[in-house]
Amino acid sequence: ILNVEQSPQSLHVQEGDSTNFTCSFPSSNFYALHWYRWETAKSPEALFVMTLNGDEKKKGRISATLNTKEGYSYLYIKGSQPEDSATYLCASYSGGYQKVTFGIGTKLQVIP
Amino acid sequence: DAMVIQNPRYQVTQFGKPVTLSCSQTLNHNVMYWYQQKSSQAPKLLFHYYDKDFNNEADTPDNFQSRRPNTSFCFLDIRSPGLGDAAMYLCATSRLPLNEQFFGPGTRLTVL
Repeated sequence: ILNVEQSPQSLHVQEGDSTNFTCSFPSSNFYALHWYRWETAKSPEALFVMTLNGDEKKKGRISATLNTKEGYSYLYIKGSQPEDSATYLCASYSGGYQKVTFGIGTKLQVIP
Repeated sequence: DAMVIQNPRYQVTQFGKPVTLSCSQTLNHNVMYWYQQKSSQAPKLLFHYYDKDFNNEADTPDNFQSRRPNTSFCFLDIRSPGLGDAAMYLCATSRLPLNEQFFGPGTRLTVL
């Protein structure tokens, strides 16, 4: 993988459903992986900064895992709520500690 | 509240007319980034400053320049905007490379 890829690009879930999405990134020369939440009309906000293979991070109902050997990270949302509706971006620092590449994002809509 | 401010929020310019976008921060962060995001695409890093050290991405057009006169301010100059430069421009800061980034609200640039 040369670029940062996110899937799916959009997702609709019912309130209360759990969901997950994927970020794939170059595994060589890896430094860090960030997840951001970007709500409409607001600025992107950091959710997680992950650096170590096997890292698992959690913030409330949202958690993330990291596999640096195979170059992917999963973001999980348990019991989705309408306020979780946002675009979730991942950003990979691969190829240099100052070289950051963002994915296109996964746009999540939670239907009440 | 400490924050990242971008002015203006919306900028309209004419084809070929120079334009400057500004970003200021009260976080006293060492790193400042400029991203370009076109519709339905990932935010693309144009360049960043680590303190006074300027780091230009290899594929950033020469038409784009940046200045960082002090820790708090960073400017993006587009010398001769073309129609393809219409985009959202995001400024972000981080205390150090690899740390979480704090984003401003963005400037939406329209080129007529």
